[in-house]
Amino acid sequence: GAGVSQSPSNKVTEKGKDVELRCDPISGHTALYWYRQSLGQGLEFLIYFQGNSAPDKSGLPSDRFSAERTGGSVSTLTIQRTQQEDSAVYLCASSLTSGNSYEQYFGPGTRLTVT
Amino acid sequence: GNSVTQMEGPVTLSEEAFLTINCTYTATGYPSLFWYVQYPGEGLQLLLKATKADDKGSNKGFEATYRKETTSFHLEKGSVQVSDSAVYFCALSVGSGGGADGLTFGKGTHLIIQP
Repeated sequence: GAGVSQSPSNKVTEKGKDVELRCDPISGHTALYWYRQSLGQGLEFLIYFQGNSAPDKSGLPSDRFSAERTGGSVSTLTIQRTQQEDSAVYLCASSLTSGNSYEQYFGPGTRLTVT
Repeated sequence: GNSVTQMEGPVTLSEEAFLTINCTYTATGYPSLFWYVQYPGEGLQLLLKATKADDKGSNKGFEATYRKETTSFHLEKGSVQVSDSAVYFCALSVGSGGGADGLTFGKGTHLIIQP
């Protein structure tokens, strides 16, 4: 079946602009996760959703970052007033449900470049 | 907090050599442990996992044993192939369901297998 999909695959934006990244999880997966992969920081966990609810937003790097999920499916990660340090690959993953033994399936990522 | 430490590499081996990639962790509670692999140009995919002490995860000839006493989860393979060239990530999840379900990753180990 279809895996996790993310769009766009690449995004180049100017510093100060807002960007919206989209994630389509595997159908039926109730848990959804956002990560960021950058050369300096490696892979960082940002936020997770169980259904439409995000119990803990403390992993988001700053208040310029926000995420939402509607209908228990698609999620968007929004970065306002982008900065050069936001340049990274943003990965989305989904799993059947939350819980540490469930496999997370990763999407191909969105490469964000802030100029 | 939770953390994962692994050798960063690059690790360069000849085909059919024995592979060990060390991974140690620090975690609150009882984490599940994972090895993820990222092949060139592809997304992250789960290689193997172990959810409790003394469990051995295995897949594609790779093995790792969850050692609580040494807080380790070293990845091994008896005879590597060129196709094993990739970046390998050790990760943990403590998954309390209260927002701690994100994976904590190590920095990744770049493995290069030469024919």
